[in-house]
Amino acid sequence: KNQVEQSPQSLIILEGKNCTLQCNYTVSPFSNLRWYKQDTGRGPVSLTIMTFSENTKSNGRYTATLDADTKQSSLHITASQLSDSASYICVVIFYNTDKLIFGTGTRLQVFP
Amino acid sequence: ETGVTQTPRHLVMGMTNKKSLKCEQHLGHNAMYWYKQSAKKPLELMFVYSLEERVENNSVPSRFSPECPNSSHLFLHLHTLQPEDSALYLCASSQDRILSNQPQHFGDGTRLSIL
Repeated sequence: KNQVEQSPQSLIILEGKNCTLQCNYTVSPFSNLRWYKQDTGRGPVSLTIMTFSENTKSNGRYTATLDADTKQSSLHITASQLSDSASYICVVIFYNTDKLIFGTGTRLQVFP
Repeated sequence: ETGVTQTPRHLVMGMTNKKSLKCEQHLGHNAMYWYKQSAKKPLELMFVYSLEERVENNSVPSRFSPECPNSSHLFLHLHTLQPEDSALYLCASSQDRILSNQPQHFGDGTRLSIL
């Protein structure tokens, strides 16, 4: 069964700390994996897109990694800020189609 | 501003009403999408339009009817909805279709409540 699972479901950290969010998937055939940030009451915003041949991609303080062999991805946030409080969603795209599966997201809260 | 505008932001309607959601993108993109986001559930892709033609329909009930009159506008016509249809409906656009690996740009959604 094609699935995308994210962990943890929720996370609380202090401002300035680093954190890592996980995404495991069983989608096949695989094309690319995306991370989105969704603020409360807003639509998702794209952070990174990685194809199966890419191991890492950065966007400012956000760094995503991908291991296509183990079908795992992580999103690392460095020196967290209050504005990082949001839901982070992992999305996996099927190869050569418009089909995609979203994870249920990780809710991150950053406190001062 | 994401370049994708959705109206209305909030909508409350009865099960027998007919209403429409509107989406407009100012990015010059060729593909547009409707998504449903229910509480504690993953986003679900409902419809995909590319160059104003529907290319994907993920088994969505017929009480949801999309319309794409041009590449900048997308509508979702609603009629005789059910309480379980209450959700956040998100519109998105991208330069080309999902399979092209282009990022999607989302609007802020319409929060729909069915009484």
